[in-house]
Amino acid sequence: DAKTTQPPSMDCAEGRAANLPCNHSTISGNEYVYWYRQIHSQGPQYIIHGLKNNETNEMASLIITEDRKSSTLILPHATLRDTAVYYCIVRGPNDYKLSFGAGTTVTVRA
Amino acid sequence: ETGVTQSPTHLIKTRGQQVTLRCSSQSGHNTVSWYQQALGQGPQFIFQYYREEENGRGNFPPRFSGLQFPNYSSELNVNALELDDSALYLCASSTGTSRTGELFFGEGSRLTVL
Repeated sequence: DAKTTQPPSMDCAEGRAANLPCNHSTISGNEYVYWYRQIHSQGPQYIIHGLKNNETNEMASLIITEDRKSSTLILPHATLRDTAVYYCIVRGPNDYKLSFGAGTTVTVRA
Repeated sequence: ETGVTQSPTHLIKTRGQQVTLRCSSQSGHNTVSWYQQALGQGPQFIFQYYREEENGRGNFPPRFSGLQFPNYSSELNVNALELDDSALYLCASSTGTSRTGELFFGEGSRLTVL
């Protein structure tokens, strides 16, 4: 019951910015956009989340369009350790679960 | 390092057997949830416990059951194992006071059913 659409894979050069798109055209006004990533053989790791405004933390930036129907996760300077599956998730304030889709497999190349 | 630990990390069972997986939550977290991740797929929500009571369940049969203890550690029990139960089982903890907060995942227990 994932509510998001992501490209299945993308490559990125080490040291360059990685821009990961996500479509969530049916998002409701009170639903948040979350990003998690999962490095091989590890549990998912929280990256960032936002409602309307753009957000930035030490890991990444989240850009949400004005109509909130899509967003972009930006890894400003990708490293080899950023190679992972990235999940974009829409979650309401009363949702007790995360609904993961297939995610985007990001490969950072030297 | 999330502070969430799971055991065992790997185990092999045969069809029809029962298995118990364990999770120790991050300190101060009173909510734990369990996810099943089949190979090549995203994690799927099994259920959540808050203060020792189940308060949410995904589309999993009753043979998947759980417990949360007063110290907020947790168990996932699966009875009558089937081949399709082979997966990575992930435990996640959170404070439960805000559903917009992040979940902290453990490294998972990889179950193989033969």
